[in-house]
Amino acid sequence: KQEVTQIPAALSVPEGENLVLNCSFTDSAIYNLQWFRQDPGKGLTSLLLIQSSQREQTSGRLNASLDKSSGRSTLYIAASQPGDSATYLCAARLRVTSNTGKLIFGQGTTLQVKP
Amino acid sequence: NAGVTQTPKFQVLKTGQSMTLQCAQDMNHEYMSWYRQDPGMGLRLIHYSVGAGITDQGEVPNGYNVSRSTTEDFPLRLLSAAPSQTSVYFCASSYKTTITEAFFGQGTRLTVV
Repeated sequence: KQEVTQIPAALSVPEGENLVLNCSFTDSAIYNLQWFRQDPGKGLTSLLLIQSSQREQTSGRLNASLDKSSGRSTLYIAASQPGDSATYLCAARLRVTSNTGKLIFGQGTTLQVKP
Repeated sequence: NAGVTQTPKFQVLKTGQSMTLQCAQDMNHEYMSWYRQDPGMGLRLIHYSVGAGITDQGEVPNGYNVSRSTTEDFPLRLLSAAPSQTSVYFCASSYKTTITEAFFGQGTRLTVV
């Protein structure tokens, strides 16, 4: 059974710091991995999607990497800002049929960036 | 750009009552799914659909029914609500292929008393 784990569960950093969020998965047979942001009481906003054939994706101050062989993905946030405070979720897409996958989520890392 | 729309945003039910959570998307996505989010449990898949007329169970399907009569809509039905179904429910959609990203609605916060 695929399990997705995110460590740490919570993280507090001062503004301006570079930080890394970790995501690990037990089954390397994934189609892709997606990172989301969730603000309190809100829905999930997609941040980055990495296909299984890719090593990394970048969007602004965010960089996500994927290492299928070791079952790990990281989300790097450069020059963190208070507005980055949120819960970050990773989700691995598993094969259901030859052309369909389902998302398995980690429990998230809650980030607080202090001014 | 409506994306994925869920209604209602909040709901309080009494034990044993029934209700339907609505989900609609305007992106012509074949794949739609329902998740529940509970503290300490993360998001867990309830049911999913790969197209109109096709549905299947996820990890925690008991107590929930779904149907998919159109591409746009994927309602989730609670036939007899129980306090264990108190949760935040999210609907998601994506293209059927395995390489595209999933889009989520804003959620429905359900309390069963």
